Amino acid sequence: AQSVTQLDSQVPVFEEAPVELRCNYSSSVSVYLFWYVQYPNQGLQLLLKYLSGSTLVKGINGFEAEFNKSQTSFHLRKPSVHISDTAEYFCAVGGSNYKLTFGKGTLLTVNP
Amino acid sequence: ETGVTQTPRHLVMGMTNKKSLKCEQHLGHNAMYWYKQSAKKPLELMFVYNFKEQTENNSVPSRFSPECPNSSHLFLHLHTLQPEDSALYLCASSQDKPPPAGFTDTQYFGPGTRLTVL
Repeated sequence: AQSVTQLDSQVPVFEEAPVELRCNYSSSVSVYLFWYVQYPNQGLQLLLKYLSGSTLVKGINGFEAEFNKSQTSFHLRKPSVHISDTAEYFCAVGGSNYKLTFGKGTLLTVNP
Repeated sequence: ETGVTQTPRHLVMGMTNKKSLKCEQHLGHNAMYWYKQSAKKPLELMFVYNFKEQTENNSVPSRFSPECPNSSHLFLHLHTLQPEDSALYLCASSQDKPPPAGFTDTQYFGPGTRLTVL
């Protein structure tokens, strides 16, 4: 069985500040990890993914995430956020069963 | 049209109505999904179709009936819904890897249909 825990339901930050959104997972099989973003009134859009290889993954819009197998984590980071980064962010884990399991989401609010 | 499209974007229906949601993917993918997104809950996977065959029915009530006539189109037929079925319904598609890998790579989502059941 797979599960995803996003530790913060809401993260408020000021513009140009760094941000980290936390994600922990559990899985009994090889894991594939994803971060998606959902802007208001839109579907989910892929930010980045880890399938194998380098544990530091770079995605769109300046985001990156690091896969840490020993800590079963896949935290998302950005060194300097913009107002336009305000959105809900979802961490997901996939395995060898054709399904993705999503976390509950973290609402990132960037204030001026 | 590109990506994944969904119609209608908004739907209001009574509990005795019958309606259908439509999803179309223009990405040449072989798998399609229906998700339910309710406030304060994780995305709930409802159905998966892989190569037009239903491979997952995640204990969804029978008042939701999926149909996948080909690999590009997916429908969700609705009848006698309950107010608690009000939610955003998202469609997604992916290019699944066949066994033994058998995992789902990136899923591409449509904008969703906001359903309100009165």
